[in-house]
Amino acid sequence: AQSVTQLDSQVPVFEEAPVELRCNYSSSVSVYLFWYVQYPNQGLQLLLKYLSGSTLVESINGFEAEFNKSQTSFHLRKPSVHISDTAEYFCALSTGGGNKLTFGTGTQLKVEL
Amino acid sequence: EPEVTQTPSHQVTQMGQEVILRCVPISNHLYFYWYRQILGQKVEFLVSFYNNEISEKSEIFDDQFSVERPDGSNFTLKIRSTKLEDSAMYFCASSEGGGPGDTQYFGPGTRLTVL
Repeated sequence: AQSVTQLDSQVPVFEEAPVELRCNYSSSVSVYLFWYVQYPNQGLQLLLKYLSGSTLVESINGFEAEFNKSQTSFHLRKPSVHISDTAEYFCALSTGGGNKLTFGTGTQLKVEL
Repeated sequence: EPEVTQTPSHQVTQMGQEVILRCVPISNHLYFYWYRQILGQKVEFLVSFYNNEISEKSEIFDDQFSVERPDGSNFTLKIRSTKLEDSAMYFCASSEGGGPGDTQYFGPGTRLTVL
C-alpha cells in the first residue's frame, strides 16, 4: 500500500521569504505525484504534478517541486512568498494501478507581513 | 473557467438519517470521484465512477454508501443511515480521463455533521 507523509501541519513565514513544504511518500510501484492547494471556502486546486521526465516541475505562480526518487520526496518550494499564498497545501500520489489519489494530511502555509 | 460545484455546503443530520450529497462535475468530464476528510485527518478516497458504474472503491465505502448519476449533470453520494463517524468534509471531483496522471478537479466540499 502507498502512503504520503507531510510532517509539517503548519508553516508560518514572512512575506518575501522562501518556503519549503515537505512531502515524502512510500510506494512499492512507480508513482505520479501532485501538489494541490486549497484556499478558504474553495475546492482543492491542482498546483503542479510530476508524471515523468524532468524531475523539477513548476507552477504558473512561482512554486516548484522536485521529484527525488532516492529520498522518496516531492518537496514544494517557493523562493519568495506572497500574502496570497496563504492556504492549505496537500501532497498526493497515484499509481498505475488506478487513478485514485492518496493524500497527505496537508500543510497550512501562513504568510505574515 | 468550468468548476465542480457541490450542494449543500453544510449539512447537519441526526444519526440514523439518510443524507444525499450532490455534485455537478465539469460538463465534458467522464470520471467522477468522492473523497472525504475527517477533521484533522487525511483526505481519503471513497469511490470512483465511470460509465454509470463504480470503477473502484475503498474499504470505507461499505453498503451504507451508494453513488448515482441520476441525470446528465448530477453525481450524488448517498449515506443510508448516518453514523457519528461519518461526520467529515466530503469532496466531489471529476476528470476528463481516467489515467493515474489525469488531473482531478475538486469541488469546494460539503461539511456533513452527524449529531
